[in-house]
Amino acid sequence: DTEVTQTPKHLVMGMTNKKSLKCEQHMGHRAMYWYKQKAKKPPELMFVYSYEKLSINESVPSRFSPECPNSSLLNLHLHALQPEDSALYLCASSQESPWGTDTQYFGPGTRLTVL
Amino acid sequence: DAKTTQPPSMDCAEGRAANLPCNHSTISGNEYVYWYRQIHSQGPQYIIHGLKNNETNEMASLIITEDRKSSTLILPHATLRDTAVYYCIVRRGGSGGGADGLTFGKGTHLIIQP
Repeated sequence: DTEVTQTPKHLVMGMTNKKSLKCEQHMGHRAMYWYKQKAKKPPELMFVYSYEKLSINESVPSRFSPECPNSSLLNLHLHALQPEDSALYLCASSQESPWGTDTQYFGPGTRLTVL
Repeated sequence: DAKTTQPPSMDCAEGRAANLPCNHSTISGNEYVYWYRQIHSQGPQYIIHGLKNNETNEMASLIITEDRKSSTLILPHATLRDTAVYYCIVRRGGSGGGADGLTFGKGTHLIIQP
């Protein structure tokens, strides 16, 4: 099973709201990722968690706050977003093995609209 | 990770083989070639990856040239459901110093014609 689940599928929020995106995997993967994809553009990396610790932050504004409560769960907390933050937010996970390749498996994404 | 170059779009007739090229002339010895596809508004789907040997799975075949500077993804019998953006990505093997993200290029928009 290579399933990564994301909730909600769609989210509409105002600029003063606080909301959270959730991602879950049960493949025993130890690395999890958030990507952002604007319309007609490729996905861009936002954050990487490795063994539940934040290892990469691609200079993402602080209005995006990631959290990894355990090895299966990844959240993205949203606060005071701007309309230009409207995008498809993708979660991915991978096994973290020093010797082999780390194929990343993606969830279906959350379509976020900021009004 | 090495940069990749792909044609922006391609057409293929339904039932025919779709051959998607990718150039990665600066690939280094420990870097793998990965292919993903993304059907409209869905998450990217892993297709196949390889290091230097040709690979085949239930979805596709991957042909890597001997000098590893280019590769071709082959969908043997394309269907309308194969219409998607196909991304060729080069990345190092193993997590050594830790997991890192994928760097997506613009990909190839493959359109399967009925």
